[in-house]
Amino acid sequence: DADVTQTPRNRITKTGKRIMLECSQTKGHDRMYWYRQDPGLGLRLIYYSFDVKDINKGEISDGYSVSRQAQAKFSLSLESAIPNQTALYFCATSRDSQTFSYNEQFFGPGTRLTVL
Amino acid sequence: AQSVTQLGSHVSVSEGALVLLRCNYSSSVPPYLFWYVQYPNQGLQLLLKYTSAATLVKGINGFEAEFKKSETSFHLTKPSAHMSDAAEYFCAVSGVGNNDMRFGAGTRLTVKP
Repeated sequence: DADVTQTPRNRITKTGKRIMLECSQTKGHDRMYWYRQDPGLGLRLIYYSFDVKDINKGEISDGYSVSRQAQAKFSLSLESAIPNQTALYFCATSRDSQTFSYNEQFFGPGTRLTVL
Repeated sequence: AQSVTQLGSHVSVSEGALVLLRCNYSSSVPPYLFWYVQYPNQGLQLLLKYTSAATLVKGINGFEAEFKKSETSFHLTKPSAHMSDAAEYFCAVSGVGNNDMRFGAGTRLTVKP
């Protein structure tokens, strides 16, 4: 069983369309993250959430929004998709680092998004 | 703030040869350092992590990395490459609290028969 799941796994959409990527986890972690991966750029943080009531912008949040519906669910939305948002998107989770001094992040399988 | 530089976007080795993937970091606080591996069409999987304990860290699949503060480096090595090691490898750095993990650009490892 996958601990961090993402839906859909692949999506092709058109410029201007609204799209939502979903992430669910069964690890019981408080913290959740959304990254995008582009060739040659590695992973860049879009948004992160420390709990249901705490949402924070990451390095590249413009053009994106998020919703933390429950501890286990964290969704990423593109309100009006544009071609340069074509990328591989990853959701990740980690434990609360106030309790644990360090936290590895656990990644979902990714969503490949193409915006035409 | 933290940052990571991975030297070499693509490394190619022969099966059985030494694997060396380079990572240098910058951090204003004592760092935590990680190596992740990404196999094709999969998410990232943790290989190993440095969290201020032993400077030589052993990970899964025979990989290890050494934290060298004087050189601000955390290079990944494996004595003998296997075909199954072909993947993309990411170095990452964070500070206390881990709300700002920064990844390197990645190094794609190719293993030739």
